[in-house]
Amino acid sequence: NAGVIQTPRHKVTGKGQEATLWCEPISGHSAVFWYRQTIVQGLEFLTYFRNQAPIDDSGMPKERFSAQMPNQSHSTLKIQSTQPQDSAVYLCASKLGYQDTQYFGPGTRLLVL
Amino acid sequence: QQKVQQSPESLIVPEGAMTSLNCTFSDSASQYFAWYRQHSGKAPKALMSIFSNGEKEEGRFTIHLNKASLHFSLHIRDSQPSDSALYLCAVSMGTQVVGQLTFGRGTRLQVYA
Repeated sequence: NAGVIQTPRHKVTGKGQEATLWCEPISGHSAVFWYRQTIVQGLEFLTYFRNQAPIDDSGMPKERFSAQMPNQSHSTLKIQSTQPQDSAVYLCASKLGYQDTQYFGPGTRLLVL
Repeated sequence: QQKVQQSPESLIVPEGAMTSLNCTFSDSASQYFAWYRQHSGKAPKALMSIFSNGEKEEGRFTIHLNKASLHFSLHIRDSQPSDSALYLCAVSMGTQVVGQLTFGRGTRLQVYA
Protein backbone atom coordinates (compact mmCIF):
# COMPACT_ATOMS: atom_id res chain seq x y z
CA ASN A 1 0.00 0.00 0.00
CA ALA A 2 1.72 3.16 -1.23
CA GLY A 3 -0.38 5.50 0.86
CA VAL A 4 -1.78 8.78 -0.39
CA ILE A 5 0.43 10.23 -3.11
CA GLN A 6 0.74 13.95 -3.67
CA THR A 7 2.62 15.66 -6.46
CA PRO A 8 4.58 17.81 -6.71
CA ARG A 9 6.12 17.76 -3.24
CA HIS A 10 7.36 21.32 -3.64
CA LYS A 11 6.17 24.08 -5.93
CA VAL A 12 7.35 27.67 -6.29
CA THR A 13 5.22 30.10 -8.29
CA GLY A 14 5.28 33.79 -8.96
CA LYS A 15 2.46 36.02 -7.80
CA GLY A 16 -0.43 35.82 -10.26
CA GLN A 17 0.51 32.43 -11.71
CA GLU A 18 -1.60 29.30 -11.59
CA ALA A 19 -0.78 26.25 -9.45
CA THR A 20 -2.26 22.76 -9.83
CA LEU A 21 -1.76 20.22 -7.09
CA TRP A 22 -2.41 16.49 -7.55
CA CYS A 23 -3.58 13.84 -5.14
CA GLU A 24 -3.86 10.08 -5.65
CA PRO A 25 -5.91 8.54 -2.81
CA ILE A 26 -5.32 5.08 -1.42
CA SER A 27 -6.86 2.53 -3.77
CA GLY A 28 -10.42 1.72 -2.76
CA HIS A 29 -10.89 4.80 -0.61
CA SER A 30 -14.09 6.60 -1.56
CA ALA A 31 -13.62 9.86 0.33
CA VAL A 32 -10.98 12.49 -0.44
CA PHE A 33 -10.28 15.60 1.61
CA TRP A 34 -8.10 18.65 0.99
CA TYR A 35 -6.62 20.65 3.88
CA ARG A 36 -4.15 23.51 4.13
CA GLN A 37 -1.55 23.88 6.89
CA THR A 38 0.23 27.08 7.88
CA ILE A 39 2.02 28.09 11.04
CA VAL A 40 -0.39 30.98 11.60
CA GLN A 41 -3.73 29.23 10.91
CA GLY A 42 -2.86 25.62 11.61
CA LEU A 43 -4.55 22.82 9.67
CA GLU A 44 -7.71 24.02 7.90
CA PHE A 45 -10.30 22.07 5.92
CA LEU A 46 -10.78 23.13 2.31
CA THR A 47 -13.02 20.65 0.46
CA TYR A 48 -14.29 17.05 0.44
CA PHE A 49 -15.40 14.49 -2.17
CA ARG A 50 -17.26 11.25 -1.61
CA ASN A 51 -17.49 8.77 -4.51
CA GLN A 52 -16.08 11.55 -6.71
CA ALA A 53 -19.01 13.89 -5.91
CA PRO A 54 -18.28 17.20 -4.17
CA ILE A 55 -19.82 17.12 -0.69
CA ASP A 56 -18.58 20.23 1.07
CA ASP A 57 -16.36 23.06 -0.15
CA SER A 58 -17.10 25.43 2.71
CA GLY A 59 -13.40 25.95 3.44
CA MET A 60 -12.42 26.96 -0.07
CA PRO A 61 -11.66 30.58 -0.87
CA LYS A 62 -14.30 30.87 -3.58
CA GLU A 63 -12.75 33.19 -6.10
CA ARG A 64 -9.44 31.55 -6.97
CA PHE A 65 -9.59 28.00 -5.64
CA SER A 66 -11.24 25.05 -7.32
CA ALA A 67 -11.08 21.29 -6.85
CA GLN A 68 -12.09 18.37 -9.00
CA MET A 69 -12.18 14.61 -8.81
CA PRO A 70 -12.58 13.36 -12.38
CA ASN A 71 -12.08 9.71 -11.45
CA GLN A 72 -11.63 7.61 -8.33
CA SER A 73 -7.85 7.57 -8.64
CA HIS A 74 -7.05 11.25 -8.50
CA SER A 75 -8.14 14.69 -7.38
CA THR A 76 -6.74 18.11 -8.25
CA LEU A 77 -6.69 21.42 -6.42
CA LYS A 78 -6.20 24.43 -8.67
CA ILE A 79 -5.27 27.88 -7.45
CA GLN A 80 -5.57 30.67 -9.97
CA SER A 81 -3.73 33.97 -9.69
CA THR A 82 -1.70 32.77 -6.70
CA GLN A 83 -0.98 35.24 -3.92
CA PRO A 84 1.76 35.18 -1.25
CA GLN A 85 -0.88 34.36 1.40
CA ASP A 86 -1.59 31.10 -0.48
CA SER A 87 1.85 29.83 0.60
CA ALA A 88 1.19 26.75 2.72
CA VAL A 89 1.45 22.99 2.84
CA TYR A 90 -1.55 21.52 1.03
CA LEU A 91 -2.51 18.13 2.41
CA CYS A 92 -4.72 15.52 0.82
CA ALA A 93 -6.34 12.76 2.87
CA SER A 94 -8.47 9.77 1.98
CA LYS A 95 -10.56 7.20 3.83
CA LEU A 96 -12.79 4.23 3.27
CA GLY A 97 -16.42 5.23 3.18
CA TYR A 98 -17.46 3.22 6.23
CA GLN A 99 -14.39 3.93 8.32
CA ASP A 100 -13.49 7.03 10.27
CA THR A 101 -9.72 7.36 10.05
CA GLN A 102 -8.35 9.74 7.45
CA TYR A 103 -4.96 8.91 5.96
CA PHE A 104 -2.90 11.90 4.98
CA GLY A 105 -0.44 12.29 2.16
CA PRO A 106 2.95 13.99 2.64
CA GLY A 107 1.64 17.29 1.30
CA THR A 108 2.65 19.78 -1.36
CA ARG A 109 4.62 22.75 -0.05
CA LEU A 110 3.55 25.76 -2.14
CA LEU A 111 5.61 28.94 -2.03
CA VAL A 112 4.29 32.01 -3.83
CA LEU A 113 6.91 34.69 -4.37
CA GLN B 1 -18.65 27.59 13.61
CA GLN B 2 -16.73 24.91 15.48
CA LYS B 3 -13.76 26.16 17.50
CA VAL B 4 -11.15 23.69 18.68
CA GLN B 5 -8.44 24.78 21.10
CA GLN B 6 -5.48 22.88 22.48
CA SER B 7 -3.35 23.31 25.56
CA PRO B 8 -0.56 23.62 26.29
CA GLU B 9 1.01 25.02 23.11
CA SER B 10 4.25 23.25 23.89
CA LEU B 11 5.53 20.78 26.43
CA ILE B 12 8.95 19.45 27.36
CA VAL B 13 9.06 16.26 29.45
CA PRO B 14 11.74 13.73 30.45
CA GLU B 15 11.76 10.20 29.08
CA GLY B 16 9.45 7.97 31.10
CA ALA B 17 7.08 10.75 32.15
CA MET B 18 3.30 10.75 31.84
CA THR B 19 2.23 13.39 29.32
CA SER B 20 -1.26 14.91 29.20
CA LEU B 21 -2.58 16.93 26.27
CA ASN B 22 -5.89 18.78 26.28
CA CYS B 23 -8.47 19.76 23.69
CA THR B 24 -11.68 21.75 24.02
CA PHE B 25 -14.37 22.15 21.39
CA SER B 26 -17.28 24.55 21.08
CA ASP B 27 -20.11 22.60 19.41
CA SER B 28 -21.92 20.20 21.73
CA ALA B 29 -23.31 18.34 18.68
CA SER B 30 -19.82 17.07 17.79
CA GLN B 31 -19.74 13.31 17.32
CA TYR B 32 -16.19 12.18 16.61
CA PHE B 33 -12.98 13.04 18.42
CA ALA B 34 -9.49 12.10 17.34
CA TRP B 35 -5.81 12.69 17.98
CA TYR B 36 -3.24 12.88 15.19
CA ARG B 37 0.53 13.01 15.51
CA GLN B 38 2.76 14.81 13.04
CA HIS B 39 6.52 14.38 13.07
CA SER B 40 8.49 17.24 11.58
CA GLY B 41 8.11 17.36 7.79
CA LYS B 42 5.81 14.35 7.74
CA ALA B 43 2.10 13.72 7.21
CA PRO B 44 -0.29 13.79 10.18
CA LYS B 45 -1.02 10.23 11.30
CA ALA B 46 -4.05 9.11 13.28
CA LEU B 47 -3.31 7.92 16.81
CA MET B 48 -6.67 7.28 18.44
CA SER B 49 -10.30 8.25 18.19
CA ILE B 50 -13.46 8.00 20.27
CA PHE B 51 -17.18 8.55 19.82
CA SER B 52 -18.67 8.08 23.29
CA ASN B 53 -17.95 9.51 26.72
CA GLY B 54 -15.33 7.64 28.65
CA GLU B 55 -11.85 6.30 28.08
CA LYS B 56 -10.11 4.13 25.53
CA GLU B 57 -6.61 2.74 25.93
CA GLU B 58 -4.27 1.49 23.21
CA GLY B 59 -0.79 0.60 24.39
CA ARG B 60 0.80 3.63 26.05
CA PHE B 61 -1.93 5.99 24.81
CA THR B 62 -5.27 6.76 26.48
CA ILE B 63 -7.98 9.04 25.13
CA HIS B 64 -10.57 10.47 27.48
CA LEU B 65 -13.79 12.24 26.41
CA ASN B 66 -16.22 14.32 28.44
CA LYS B 67 -18.85 15.73 26.09
CA ALA B 68 -20.62 17.67 28.85
CA SER B 69 -17.40 19.57 29.52
CA LEU B 70 -16.67 19.92 25.79
CA HIS B 71 -13.26 18.42 26.52
CA PHE B 72 -11.13 15.48 25.52
CA SER B 73 -7.56 14.59 26.27
CA LEU B 74 -4.67 12.33 25.30
CA HIS B 75 -2.43 10.75 27.90
CA ILE B 76 0.90 9.19 27.00
CA ARG B 77 2.37 6.81 29.54
CA ASP B 78 6.15 6.26 29.67
CA SER B 79 6.87 9.00 27.11
CA GLN B 80 9.72 8.24 24.69
CA PRO B 81 11.97 10.54 22.63
CA SER B 82 10.29 9.09 19.54
CA ASP B 83 7.01 10.61 20.81
CA SER B 84 8.46 14.08 20.15
CA ALA B 85 6.12 15.59 17.57
CA LEU B 86 3.21 17.97 16.97
CA TYR B 87 -0.02 16.54 18.42
CA LEU B 88 -3.24 17.66 16.75
CA CYS B 89 -6.71 17.10 18.11
CA ALA B 90 -9.58 16.91 15.65
CA VAL B 91 -13.37 17.01 15.87
CA SER B 92 -16.06 16.07 13.37
CA MET B 93 -19.77 16.74 13.26
CA GLY B 94 -20.58 13.69 11.15
CA THR B 95 -23.21 11.37 12.54
CA GLN B 96 -23.66 8.45 10.15
CA VAL B 97 -20.50 9.24 8.20
CA VAL B 98 -17.52 11.04 9.65
CA GLY B 99 -16.73 13.92 7.31
CA GLN B 100 -14.28 16.75 7.45
CA LEU B 101 -12.23 17.35 10.56
CA THR B 102 -11.74 20.62 12.44
CA PHE B 103 -8.28 20.68 13.97
CA GLY B 104 -6.74 22.47 16.89
CA ARG B 105 -3.50 24.42 16.44
CA GLY B 106 -1.49 21.64 18.04
CA THR B 107 0.71 20.93 21.03
CA ARG B 108 4.40 20.53 20.31
CA LEU B 109 5.83 17.81 22.56
CA GLN B 110 9.52 17.30 23.17
CA VAL B 111 10.68 14.28 25.16
CA TYR B 112 14.32 14.35 26.24
CA ALA B 113 16.43 11.36 27.23
